[in-house]
Amino acid sequence: QVQLVESGGGLVNPGGSLRLSCVASGFSYSDYFMSWVRQAPGKGLEWISYISGRDSTMYYADSVKGRFTISRDNARNSLYLQMNGLRADDTAVYYCARAAAGLDYWGQGTLVAVSS
Amino acid sequence: DIQLTQSPSTLSASVGDRVTITCRASQSVTKWLAWYQQKPGKAPTLLIYKASTLQSGVPSRFSGSGSGTEFTLTISSLQPDDFATYYCQQYHSYIYSFGQGTKLEIK
Repeated sequence: QVQLVESGGGLVNPGGSLRLSCVASGFSYSDYFMSWVRQAPGKGLEWISYISGRDSTMYYADSVKGRFTISRDNARNSLYLQMNGLRADDTAVYYCARAAAGLDYWGQGTLVAVSS
Repeated sequence: DIQLTQSPSTLSASVGDRVTITCRASQSVTKWLAWYQQKPGKAPTLLIYKASTLQSGVPSRFSGSGSGTEFTLTISSLQPDDFATYYCQQYHSYIYSFGQGTKLEIK
């Protein structure tokens, strides 16, 4: 069965960096676009980035463009989100999701808290 | 970027009611719209994609319709498990976006 497992969240100071990972299993990983979505505490869902399956074309929301970088390693069935220049308003649960017709499978999320 | 506006933001209803949630897009997304359900502390789950196609395993009381800029999610007869928050999402543009969510509460 399809499984997505995120890791790498934690507490970080403003201006700091963090790298999130998402390991996929149960499907042909390189055939699918993958996406990151976040949810601030008590708020709605915010799409932040996705990456194509093989040529690694990437797109970003304006809120993270220039600070966050999405990448993937198809040999390791892994998705990454490098987050630099973190701000308090980046505090959220970060989900990875498989992008098929809509976002059809999601991980359980990893919490990133930006605070001094 | 494409903005999605859901209405209402909160909806109070009873078990057995028929409810409809609307999602309006700031420009046409043709049929590239999905609906999700999210319960507290859990990841969202996909209910409907391509505006009206039911995701495998989703009960048939859920249905979606619409195209262009106006879409609806209908639950034909509310069950206790349906009280949750619902989001629409467009994937017409390279820059995806979500609606702000509709919280479905027990009356």
